[in-house]
Amino acid sequence: SAVISQKPSRDICQRGTSLTIQCQVDSQVTMMFWYRQQPGQSLTLIATANQGSEATYESGFVIDKFPISRPNLTFSTLTVSNMSPEDSSIYLCSVILVFADRGLREQYFGPGTRLTVT
Amino acid sequence: GDSVTQMEGPVTLSEEAFLTINCTYTATGYPSLFWYVQYPGEGLQLLLKATKADDKGSNKGFEATYRKETTSFHLEKGSVQVSDSAVYFCALLQAGTALIFGKGTTLSVSS
Repeated sequence: SAVISQKPSRDICQRGTSLTIQCQVDSQVTMMFWYRQQPGQSLTLIATANQGSEATYESGFVIDKFPISRPNLTFSTLTVSNMSPEDSSIYLCSVILVFADRGLREQYFGPGTRLTVT
Repeated sequence: GDSVTQMEGPVTLSEEAFLTINCTYTATGYPSLFWYVQYPGEGLQLLLKATKADDKGSNKGFEATYRKETTSFHLEKGSVQVSDSAVYFCALLQAGTALIFGKGTTLSVSS
């Protein structure tokens, strides 16, 4: 399994400011992702954080709003830029581990960062 | 693209009632299928999974069978408890991509 930590666990921010969320994994992983869970909603994939190259964003998400860094195989950051109240969500980091010997792929989630924008 | 469709909630049951939450999927190839649970105020937890057709995932009295012919992965429990009140998410995972989630079904169990 993978142990994922996120910082901060929660924050309250003013509109127009930016927040950077950190994600640390206890092992090297190739595939790392960022999700958003808006209040009362399901999880929506924001982007795939690619090590050594630009992140791949899903439809509806852009780099200017959600810049992502992935400097190595155990760490990534997601920045929520120029925040508005609509950005109030839980942001989750996630990784996929591949167990080739068992033909398994398993996805693990961090505890989430609860962001409130006022 | 791939997608997951869950029955609309909320589902309201009395304790010891039988639970079914329907989940169907659209996908190319042979995805792995999952049920996740999110208890009030808590993070996402993996409840059970199935990686190929006819596999049955089970955990904590919950079961789901991967039905390729009907592209379904319905969640069932024979006797629910108040502590099962939560939001349940069906999800699929394809090689090379991240989990795709359904919209979630809220279950409320009363004593």
